[in-house]
Amino acid sequence: EPEVTQTPSHQVTQMGQEVILRCVPISNHLYFYWYRQILGQKVEFLVSFYNNEISEKSEIFDDQFSVERPDGSNFTLKIRSTKLEDSAMYFCASSGLKRGLSTDTQYFGPGTRLTVL
Amino acid sequence: GDSVTQMEGPVTLSEEAFLTINCTYTATGYPSLFWYVQYPGEGLQLLLKATKADDKGSNKGFEATYRKETTSFHLEKGSVQVSDSAVYFCALSSTSYDKVIFGPGTSLSVIP
Repeated sequence: EPEVTQTPSHQVTQMGQEVILRCVPISNHLYFYWYRQILGQKVEFLVSFYNNEISEKSEIFDDQFSVERPDGSNFTLKIRSTKLEDSAMYFCASSGLKRGLSTDTQYFGPGTRLTVL
Repeated sequence: GDSVTQMEGPVTLSEEAFLTINCTYTATGYPSLFWYVQYPGEGLQLLLKATKADDKGSNKGFEATYRKETTSFHLEKGSVQVSDSAVYFCALSSTSYDKVIFGPGTSLSVIP
């Protein structure tokens, strides 16, 4: 079964450093998303991406965040200058037209745990 | 704005007990409703979904019915197993490809 993959599984960084979280969505999906889950809290939407541009972003997604689809297969989330409060699990998701899969269901990756020290 | 409310738990049940996790939502229009499950140390997996009123989603013995009149989507399972221990998230999406809005999650522990 096709799946969303994410790397790395765990990233440790120093406050103020830049990090890039990587995702490979399900092939032929057209819509891509990032969510985060601070430990013990609910899953929160960050941003959605379609047709090479952001379609919606939350108030969490400030100027420190950016997304990119650099090569037609990867989908990245960059945090330019990490803060302690960025420590969380970050989930990538994708949805869209794919034979055998529902078009309105988002499929989530396993997540990247980001720890900012 | 749209939102999801669910019982937060933790819920502890004995094996083979009946499970109900309540979920209610607030949304304009007719959202799609989902239950996602997160096993310890893992990501989010879609458990089941329903896209219109009176639809019943089912998977792995779990069921939930989309009740528009009560704006609810309660998760049920007749006989839980230890392997069902996880966090369960009720969620909605207002339109196709829209963001998913999650409830706070309900932690379930099933003891032998």
